[in-house]
Amino acid sequence: GAVVSQHPSWVICKSGTSVKIECRSLDFQATTMFWYRQFPKQSLMLMATSNEGSKATYEQGVEKDKFLINHASLTLSTLTVTSAHPEDSSFYICSARDWGRQNQPQHFGDGTRLSIL
Amino acid sequence: DAKTTQPPSMDCAEGRAANLPCNHSTISGNEYVYWYRQIHSQGPQYIIHGLKNNETNEMASLIITEDRKSSTLILPHATLRDTAVYYCIVRVAYNTDKLIFGTGTRLQVFP
Repeated sequence: GAVVSQHPSWVICKSGTSVKIECRSLDFQATTMFWYRQFPKQSLMLMATSNEGSKATYEQGVEKDKFLINHASLTLSTLTVTSAHPEDSSFYICSARDWGRQNQPQHFGDGTRLSIL
Repeated sequence: DAKTTQPPSMDCAEGRAANLPCNHSTISGNEYVYWYRQIHSQGPQYIIHGLKNNETNEMASLIITEDRKSSTLILPHATLRDTAVYYCIVRVAYNTDKLIFGTGTRLQVFP
């Protein structure tokens, strides 16, 4: 079945550094991928839509200069948290769907837990 | 996309059927009902989806009322590993793949 892989699964870094998270579709192509953020005991909040070969679309209230998204190929999207601060600590999750097959559901990665010290 | 309403929490004994309700009274004719679950510290897992007919797969059954204003996800024989937060989401297939998550139902399966 469709598999979405995220890397790294867990990262700790100092305040002020930038962190890159990768999202890969392993056995299908995805022209669109999605990035979510989840704080403890809360639901997933959609941050942005990553579009292959074009600019990402950000949800209201999400800073595009803070959360840089690149979707350079049909199987890879990256999210870079720039100049990360403790309030950026969260669980970041990506999702994608096999666009080559109709009526397929979104599949999610296992998430990246980001801790900023 | 239509808003959904789910109870915040439910309990179920291991081996019994877990019936998780979802209200989506403002659903449109071309909107599908999707169910996902999230086990602690993992990404959401797709369970099942449907438009108006009842659906069944190896994980669960989805019962959609005739007026499509509500649905029920059925886990026929719940196990401890089914303890998770279950999300009911309504969206238009082929239009946008955005999934807007509500607060879901926290299902606790006990021995």
